[in-house]
Amino acid sequence: QKEVEQNSGPLSVPEGAIASLNCTYSDRGSQSFFWYRQYSGKSPELIMSIYSNGDKEDGRFTAQLNKASQYVSLLIRDSQPSDSATYLCAVNRPAGTALIFGKGTTLSVSS
Amino acid sequence: GAGVSQSPSNKVTEKGKDVELRCDPISGHTALYWYRQSLGQGLEFLIYFQGNSAPDKSGLPSDRFSAERTGGSVSTLTIQRTQQEDSAVYLCASSDRQGDYGYTFGSGTRLTVV
Repeated sequence: QKEVEQNSGPLSVPEGAIASLNCTYSDRGSQSFFWYRQYSGKSPELIMSIYSNGDKEDGRFTAQLNKASQYVSLLIRDSQPSDSATYLCAVNRPAGTALIFGKGTTLSVSS
Repeated sequence: GAGVSQSPSNKVTEKGKDVELRCDPISGHTALYWYRQSLGQGLEFLIYFQGNSAPDKSGLPSDRFSAERTGGSVSTLTIQRTQQEDSAVYLCASSDRQGDYGYTFGSGTRLTVV
């Protein structure tokens, strides 16, 4: 089983809709979870972090964590064409010190 | 500096040559990470530095790859006898602690081995 799994997409949503991005991870000991956004040809940028079960909201973004199900999600409300990018889920390795990244989900928001 | 700086931004090299990639992290960041990203692939972890030591180098794909960090700041990733499969974007990131608070990435070095 891969350590961090994401649906590669593409996920296509119309402008103004809610985009839902999902991620599962394999190591139950993981404690830190992150969402990065990567525009084509650019490097990843951190958009959300979450450490506790439940929801964390920041503007149009909401991260959700369920450690029992080993599941992390990112909701983007009122999606904009500028949100079109690849979204990477990252999880810490409890026995190591680096983040492990999923392969990313490509989001396309049409106007 | 204000951000993570990587150089060169692009490097084309002939198969079999050695290359050096440089990373200058955010000032004061003690943790430094190297990843690589091949076309259409996710980020593959290579090595982690805390200060000048590398407690986790488990991601280095072969003994052709090595990295060092000096003065708790600049890091150099060296690839010896480059192969075509080494072609990728090499990304450096830094954080002010172990990474539990997320990283800041540099803009990367695009390496092409011909």
